[in-house]
Amino acid sequence: EVQMVESGGRLVQPGGSLRLSCATSGFTFGVYWIHWVRQTPQTGLVWVSRIKGDDGTTHYADSVKGRFTISRDTAKNTVYLQMNSLRAEDTGVYHCVRDRPLWEWGPGTPVTVSS
Amino acid sequence: QSALTQSASVSGSPGQSITISCTGTSSDIGANNYVSWFQKHPGKVPQVVISDVSNRPSGVSNRFSGSKSGNTASLTISGLQAEDEADYYCISFSSSGTWAFGGGTQLSVL
Repeated sequence: EVQMVESGGRLVQPGGSLRLSCATSGFTFGVYWIHWVRQTPQTGLVWVSRIKGDDGTTHYADSVKGRFTISRDTAKNTVYLQMNSLRAEDTGVYHCVRDRPLWEWGPGTPVTVSS
Repeated sequence: QSALTQSASVSGSPGQSITISCTGTSSDIGANNYVSWFQKHPGKVPQVVISDVSNRPSGVSNRFSGSKSGNTASLTISGLQAEDEADYYCISFSSSGTWAFGGGTQLSVL
């Protein structure tokens, strides 16, 4: 059974930093891309970033490029999202998602950027 | 990157068919066959109903179908049921290596 479990979300002040983790199991980590997706009631679903499990190739949405860094630990089958220079608009529930075709979602971890 | 364009809401009666469209550009929807559709009920994580334009994952009702023409992808739900009432999101791969979601369409079953 595929499992994606996020952690690390919390309340943080604007300009602050946070590292999210996504622990995965139930599949061959290196075969898939893993994505981070932000969900808010106001904006719906927003794609943030993705990383390839085998070689670590990364891509970012323009809105987070230069501020967020996605990485992975293949020994732990875990993906991370380092979030720096956080803004109010980064607030939301962050889901890690295994790539198409089946798009397996984790339950998400909430991030609130507010003073 | 720009979000894909979806109509904000659509409605239908039980038993009817509805179509939700998702419009992008020649750099995303028009450039590949990596368009998926998600169903999201309140308080639940999104569930894929269509992958790669028109493929229906195992377990998804055959009332759901997908297609694409040019820069626009479409999700059709036939034989509408009350349980289909949810938000629907499209996502497409872009030639830049990124992905983008549509703004979401709220489906009401009257």
